[in-house]
Parts: sequence; structure tokens; C-alpha cells
Amino acid sequence: NAGVTQTPKFQVLKTGQSMTLQCAQDMNHEYMSWYRQDPGMGLRLIHYSVGAGITDQGEVPNGYNVSRSTTEDFPLRLLSAAPSQTSVYFCASSAYRGGELFFGEGSRLTVL
Amino acid sequence: GQQVMQIPQYQHVQEGEDFTTYCNSSTTLSNIQWYKQRPGGHPVFLIQLVKSGEVKKQKRLTFQFGEAKKNSSLHITATQTTDVGTYFCSTSYGKLTFGQGTILTVHP
Repeated sequence: NAGVTQTPKFQVLKTGQSMTLQCAQDMNHEYMSWYRQDPGMGLRLIHYSVGAGITDQGEVPNGYNVSRSTTEDFPLRLLSAAPSQTSVYFCASSAYRGGELFFGEGSRLTVL
Repeated sequence: GQQVMQIPQYQHVQEGEDFTTYCNSSTTLSNIQWYKQRPGGHPVFLIQLVKSGEVKKQKRLTFQFGEAKKNSSLHITATQTTDVGTYFCSTSYGKLTFGQGTILTVHP
């Protein structure tokens, strides 16, 4: 059972480039979310989804887009990367909103 | 959104000493979850508290939810080097919000 799978694990971008962080879960979870983790800031919610076709903004959504076309996948898109988006990104899922979160291993992004 | 404040931000202990981290809110919380993140790892769920005054134990870890459901604590008895990491509290009120975390270091 793979759980939550994130790719890539590491990525270096130049300012202005775009990229997509992939997230997939095989637990048939309805709720999926993206967090960014910066030193001293804890985990901050970027976007979340309560089911296929439904997404909503979290605390820090600016500069990021998401979509949820299937239950399994929840990609995070950076349209024009900025150095302020240098961070570690975690995807997480749970059976329902408010339930136990299962996290992926994280994606470390550096924007130069 | 609902905010939770976690203290302390850092805690350094000698192996065998106890450790406590606190999670506080200005509003009544529907529930509290606690997570542990080892250095370089991802957060892992520890427990969820729902009831006022609830106390749960997992081996050397004791979790409490305040009577007013505005605060919670995680207490570790006789810390071990395997306890190092960052401990987060979180609560769900529409959007799941995490505290800033307490970084625990344990000196052998």
C-alpha cells in the first residue's frame, strides 16, 4: 500500500518558470490538501479539496493552482515561480475533512 | 480562520527528563490532532482528541484536551533520543490549521 506519493522529491527552478508537483493517493480518500513548510512557520495550508471536482483556497493560495479531476490525484501548479516559493511542500489526504491526515514524503523546491 | 498557538517553539532536554508542549486557542475547538515530524521526515498522526477534558495515553505520551476545549497539551515522560522531532497540534474548523510546532531535542 503506497499511501500518498509525491513527485518530484527535489526540484530547482529559475524565477518565472512553471512546474507541477504531483500527488497521488491510493486510499480512496475524499479529502486532499497541499501544505508548505517554512522554518518557524509550521505547516500552512495552500489549497484543499473535499472531493473530485471541488477545490478551495487555504491560508496561502497566491501563486498556486490546483485541480481535482479524479479522487486519486491532486496536482499543485506553480505558474510563475518566485524565490518566495522556495519551501518544502507536503501533500496530505484523509478519509474526510477533519480526519487523520496521511502525508506524502515531501517535495523540496528551490527557486533561484 | 481558527488559529492555534503552540508553545514553546523550542525545547532542549536531557534524556530521561520530561517534556510538555501546549496548544492554545482563543476560541472553542471542535477537536485537536497531534502530529510528530522526525528531522527530514513528514508529519505522522499521533492522536485525535474530541471530548472536553479528554485524556489519552500512548506509552510515555499523555495527551489532554482542556475542559473548555480551548487548549491541549502533549506530555512525554522520561524522554528518549527517539523522541526528537517537531510536534504539531492541529484543529479543523473548515480548514485544517496547524500550530507552529515545538522542536524537541534530546541530549543523551
